[in-house]
Amino acid sequence: AQTVTQSQPEMSVQEAETVTLSCTYDTSESDYYLFWYKQPPSRQMILVIRQEAYKQQNATENRFSVNFQKAAKSFSLKISDSQLGDAAMYFCAYRSGETSGSRLTFGEGTQLTVNP
Amino acid sequence: EPEVTQTPSHQVTQMGQEVILRCVPISNHLYFYWYRQILGQKVEFLVSFYNNEISEKSEIFDDQFSVERPDGSNFTLKIRSTKLEDSAMYFCATGQGYSTDTQYFGPGTRLTVL
Repeated sequence: AQTVTQSQPEMSVQEAETVTLSCTYDTSESDYYLFWYKQPPSRQMILVIRQEAYKQQNATENRFSVNFQKAAKSFSLKISDSQLGDAAMYFCAYRSGETSGSRLTFGEGTQLTVNP
Repeated sequence: EPEVTQTPSHQVTQMGQEVILRCVPISNHLYFYWYRQILGQKVEFLVSFYNNEISEKSEIFDDQFSVERPDGSNFTLKIRSTKLEDSAMYFCATGQGYSTDTQYFGPGTRLTVL
């Protein structure tokens, strides 16, 4: 079974600074997808970014980028120019690409605080 | 932009009662999921549903739970005889089902069992 680990329960960053959230995963599959979801106080789950395992290029979405290290099974999220609205719980998630409609497996989450 | 909707946003029930949580998926999506998040914990998979039948379920999804798509649009999660430990946020998610797709989440239903 796949597992996802987020070893940082809490992180903080100053507004306009950069922060990196860590995520590691364990799998024996070669075809899979990785995601970062944001959960603000409203508890809505919002997709931030996704990465296909077969792509060597790291995904980017505006101020959000990932550092995907497949051999190390590491998938970190970098938030540049942090804004107050980035404050939220961030979840790393894994999904198998070997079967259609497979489940998401989530990490424990990292609570990000953005200080003005 | 199409979105997943869920009703109610908050449900309070007495232990032992039955509850039905409802979800309206994005219209061209074929796979439907329910996830649960107990307060302060991570999001856990409950069940996936495709072509009017369960395609996968977790060990959490026991006989107390059932899912159906009664009218071709709504996707429901029924919890029979609720327990205190069923108190959680329940998220519906939907996807097109391709191996490349992304699951989109609804806003969640907060279930409180007293």
